[in-house]
Amino acid sequence: EAGVTQFPSHSVIEKGQTVTLRCDPISGHDNLYWYRRVMGKEIKFLLHFVKESKQDESGMPNNRFLAERTGGTYSTLKVQPAELEDSGVYFCASSRTGSYGYTFGSGTRLTVV
Amino acid sequence: GESVGLHLPTLSVQEGDNSIINCAYSNSASDYFIWYKQESGKGPQFIIDIRSNMDKRQGQRVTVLLNKTVKHLSLQIAATQPGDSAVYFCAEKGTGRRALTFGSGTRLQVQP
Repeated sequence: EAGVTQFPSHSVIEKGQTVTLRCDPISGHDNLYWYRRVMGKEIKFLLHFVKESKQDESGMPNNRFLAERTGGTYSTLKVQPAELEDSGVYFCASSRTGSYGYTFGSGTRLTVV
Repeated sequence: GESVGLHLPTLSVQEGDNSIINCAYSNSASDYFIWYKQESGKGPQFIIDIRSNMDKRQGQRVTVLLNKTVKHLSLQIAATQPGDSAVYFCAEKGTGRRALTFGSGTRLQVQP
């Protein structure tokens, strides 16, 4: 099966601009997660979708971050306006219902300058 | 690829030796634990998992040990190979949640 796909792989934007990251999960995986690794620190949870519904968004840092999952398929994570501290690698992962075995994408490296 | 943290603890081993990577966790309610391997430019890759009702699980060349008394998890890699060089993360899942809490990672360097 095809893996989790994320794009872009890299994005460099100026502070104050908007960036939208996209994740295509593995087909049939109802669970979709966003994580990020900032400044080379630990990978931190952002939020969890079950199909199109937000199941847990306790990790979203502030209201500059907006995640959507249209029709329960792909998901987008928008950062608006971007700040310097948002720089890092954003990972998406997906899993089947009843499975805790995530498959991660390769990530999007976001650099805010 | 992704730049890993400059201050990650590093374990350096000789090719063919066994490696042991340790992880301490804090949530006594965690019921599931996973080890991930991350190579530069790639996402975390599943290695092995263990449920809280077990204390040991073996895979191919890897073994995970869980000590719930001291909240400690370890990953043992037998006959370490250059391809094992990567950053290794432990992760835990709390009861009733699906979100994972990751540790800070350990860089494994295998010397030929």
